[in-house]
Amino acid sequence: GALVYQYPRRTICKSGTSMRMECQAVGFQATSVAWYRQSPQKTFELIALSTVNSAIKYEQNFTQEKFPISHPNLSFSSMTVLNAYLEDRGLYLCGATDWGSQNTLYFGAGTRLSVL
Amino acid sequence: AQSVTQPDARVTVSEGASLQLRCKYSYFGTPYLFWYVQYPRQGLQLLLKYYPGDPVVQGVNGFEAEFSKSNSSFHLRKASVHWSDWAVYFCAVSRTNAYKVIFGKGTHLHVLP
Repeated sequence: GALVYQYPRRTICKSGTSMRMECQAVGFQATSVAWYRQSPQKTFELIALSTVNSAIKYEQNFTQEKFPISHPNLSFSSMTVLNAYLEDRGLYLCGATDWGSQNTLYFGAGTRLSVL
Repeated sequence: AQSVTQPDARVTVSEGASLQLRCKYSYFGTPYLFWYVQYPRQGLQLLLKYYPGDPVVQGVNGFEAEFSKSNSSFHLRKASVHWSDWAVYFCAVSRTNAYKVIFGKGTHLHVLP
C-alpha cells in the first residue's frame, strides 16, 4: 500500500533558528507532494505544491524564502522552516500522490514544530 | 474559487447511534471529494473518496458518503458509531487534473458511552 513517513515527529527550535523536516513515500511514486500546516485551532493551510518536472507553486502568504522545498526524486521531499517564530508553530503535514491515484493525497503523521 | 464548508464544528453522539457529518462545497466544474480523519495527536488518514460516478461511496470502518450535485453536498454517514470514532473529520475538495486539495475546518466528533 501507499505509505508516507515524516520525520522528525516532533521538534523544538529556538525563535529565529531554522528547522528541516523530511517526507518519504513508500510503495508508490510521489509525483506530487503537498506541504500543509495545521496551526492551533485552525484547519490545514496549503503551503506549496511540488510536482515533478514543474516549478514548485507556493500559496499566498507562503514563500520560498521562508519555506524552501526540495523534491529531488519520486520518493523524497523536504521542507525547511527558516527563521522560525511563534506563528510558525503547528503540525506540518506532507501529502503525496502519484499520477494514478486520482488526486488522492496520502499523508504522513506530520512533524509537530514548537518554537521557544 | 473552490471552498469547503463544514457547518458543525462539533457533533456529539452516543455510541451505537447513527451519525451524519455535513459538508458543503463550492466548486466550478467536476470536483473530487474526500473525507479524512485525524485521530488525537496524529496525521490525516483517508476515509473515502469520490470521483465522478456512483454518488454513494463506501469507505473504511463502515463510513459512507453521498455526493449531491444539486445540493453541493458530500455528507459523511455511519450507521452505528463506535467510541474509537472519536476524532476530527475533514472534508476536502480538489479539481480534476490538479493536485491542490482544499480542506474544510473540520468537525470534532465526540462519542458518549
